Amino acid sequence: DVVLTQTPLSSPVSLGQPASISCKSSQSLLHSDGNTYLNWLQQRPGQPPRLLIYKISNRFSGVPDRFTGSGAGTDFTLKISRVEAEDVGVYYCTQASQLPYTFGQGTKLEIK
Amino acid sequence: QLQLQESGPGLVKPSETLSLTCTVSGASISTTNYYWDWIRQPPVKGLEWIGRISYSGTIYYNPSLKSRVTISADTSKNQFSLMLSSVTAADTAVYYCARLVGGLGFDYWGQGNLVSVSS
Repeated sequence: DVVLTQTPLSSPVSLGQPASISCKSSQSLLHSDGNTYLNWLQQRPGQPPRLLIYKISNRFSGVPDRFTGSGAGTDFTLKISRVEAEDVGVYYCTQASQLPYTFGQGTKLEIK
Repeated sequence: QLQLQESGPGLVKPSETLSLTCTVSGASISTTNYYWDWIRQPPVKGLEWIGRISYSGTIYYNPSLKSRVTISADTSKNQFSLMLSSVTAADTAVYYCARLVGGLGFDYWGQGNLVSVSS
């Protein structure tokens, strides 16, 4: 199985400041169709996860442009340019390049 | 607007079988390129993918749970279901159903159904 390792596991950030989360994969996520199915999910307290970013860098419908995904191969990053109060929650990277699908451990974003 | 809603008991006894159903509205589960998945989240923990059934009925289970899991679909009711046998306390979790669109990812999730395993 693909193991996704996220760092940090906790990220206290001041409002208006940037935040960055790393996701490293135990193997390449490049699919045979040429795509890399590395996605980012946001889970606000008491809510189900929500898709933020798909295929490394594509923002899902309705996702603010302060969220940016980047990376390739086995190293990926989610950046929030200016953290807002509504961004509090847990962020997961997830891969759909290989079955079984797997998730990172989650990174808890909180306001400092 | 697509909606997924899990339903099922919130309490299951150890060694018994957990059964959940996900009712889908706003899209047909038979639509090409849609995959219907079950994912669980133990209390204060991360996410674990359980398995999926595709638009064509192809099923794939997480090998870690394969011996105990059955996923099925009822296209006439636009529902898909999860059965997990021989449950223990370690199976206590919020169980989510979600849609995965090929080439995209998990774009819609249900609200989740907390299932506790206890005598």
